[in-house]
Amino acid sequence: DIQMTQSPSSLSASVGDRVTIRCRASQDINTYLNWYQQKPGKAPKLLVYAASALQSGVPSRFSGSGSGTDFILTISSLQPEDFATYYCQQSYSIPPLTFGGGTKVEIK
Amino acid sequence: QVQLVDSGGGVVQPGRSLRLSCTASDFTFSDYNMHWVRQAPGKGLEWVAVFWSDGSKQYYADSVKGRFTISRDISKNTLNLQMNSLGVEDTAVYYCVRDDLGYGMDVWGQGTTVTVSS
Repeated sequence: DIQMTQSPSSLSASVGDRVTIRCRASQDINTYLNWYQQKPGKAPKLLVYAASALQSGVPSRFSGSGSGTDFILTISSLQPEDFATYYCQQSYSIPPLTFGGGTKVEIK
Repeated sequence: QVQLVDSGGGVVQPGRSLRLSCTASDFTFSDYNMHWVRQAPGKGLEWVAVFWSDGSKQYYADSVKGRFTISRDISKNTLNLQMNSLGVEDTAVYYCVRDDLGYGMDVWGQGTTVTVSS
């Protein structure tokens, strides 16, 4: 099974900050990596697919990068509506499809 | 509009069964892999099962293999999850999810809550 490890597990940031979330795969997954945002009580929402492609309708302050085993989600200027939990997910090898443990972005 | 509506959750005793359903609107069901993903209270996302778009394969997480069965009714545009021998560890919100084959899991149901408790 491919393990996905996110860091940090939580962070505190202010509006306007640049935020970086990392995701590491236990083996090479090429660019089969997706990022999701989840707000409390809501279903997750796809932000980035194939490591760096922005889903339609997602603000351009979000970006994804990386390939192989190391990936990054960047929020260039944090907005109030961005406070949420973020998950990475690999689609290189199923079963099982695996998610990272999540990164909770909180207000400083 | 493209959407998934999850239903069937509830409170059930350990060892009992429950059947979840997901009804799809405005897209061709058989064009996509369809998943169930769950989230235990205060925890992260856990993949449960997938039904392949061409109907040829179904896969399960080890934690539910042999107890859960995923199925599809194309005529009704419905995805189902039959859950047997439920344990307290199965308590979670269950989401039906569309997998756009290389473009991410792009449509999620609203979730249905399963509580296993005596």
